Amino acid sequence: GAVVSQHPSWVICKSGTSVKIECRSLDFQATTMFWYRQFPKQSLMLMATSNEGSKATYEQGVEKDKFLINHASLTLSTLTVTSAHPEDSSFYICSAPAGGPRDEQYFGPGTRLTVL
Amino acid sequence: QKEVEQNSGPLSVPEGAIASLNCTYSDRGSQSFFWYRQYSGKSPELIMFIYSNGDKEDGRFTAQLNKASQYVSLLIRDSQPSDSATYLCAARRSGAGSYQLTFGKGTKLSVIP
Repeated sequence: GAVVSQHPSWVICKSGTSVKIECRSLDFQATTMFWYRQFPKQSLMLMATSNEGSKATYEQGVEKDKFLINHASLTLSTLTVTSAHPEDSSFYICSAPAGGPRDEQYFGPGTRLTVL
Repeated sequence: QKEVEQNSGPLSVPEGAIASLNCTYSDRGSQSFFWYRQYSGKSPELIMFIYSNGDKEDGRFTAQLNKASQYVSLLIRDSQPSDSATYLCAARRSGAGSYQLTFGKGTKLSVIP
């Protein structure tokens, strides 16, 4: 299957700092990428849809000013958690449709964020 | 409200048995269906997708789709302890640019050696 990478794989930061997470499609181009958040033992929650060349679309209840998304190129989307707080500690995962027969989506390995 | 429903489990099966995972969806506009496997602490991994009524087989995995009943299932034959994971069912509408998936909450499978 297609390969999606994320960086960093884990990050620990102090409360109030900002953290940037990168999502890259390594062997295909992605005009759309998705950002999810998953708390322990809970299901995936879609946060936003990242669109190359235009603004991201945020799901209801997700603060766009707190979770900044930039889809800088056809292979890179970034999620910046601004002024992070302990309640933002979670597993952040991106995905991208790889243009297969059914545009099946492939997930990155995820980034575990811990805010102290 | 588009929903995908799964039994949260845990579903326990003995090694070598067939594990049957079920999923129903409410949006009749859904055209493509995906099964992902997620190990604890890891991101989801695509196992199979199906979009035509009937069965689709890939190795030990068989996906089944019944659009009239709005029902999708995944069968795992000769279950192995390494199959123990949470299995996520997802549905997608058709249409250009319609990539967004609706996920179920997942079924936790435990294969007992």
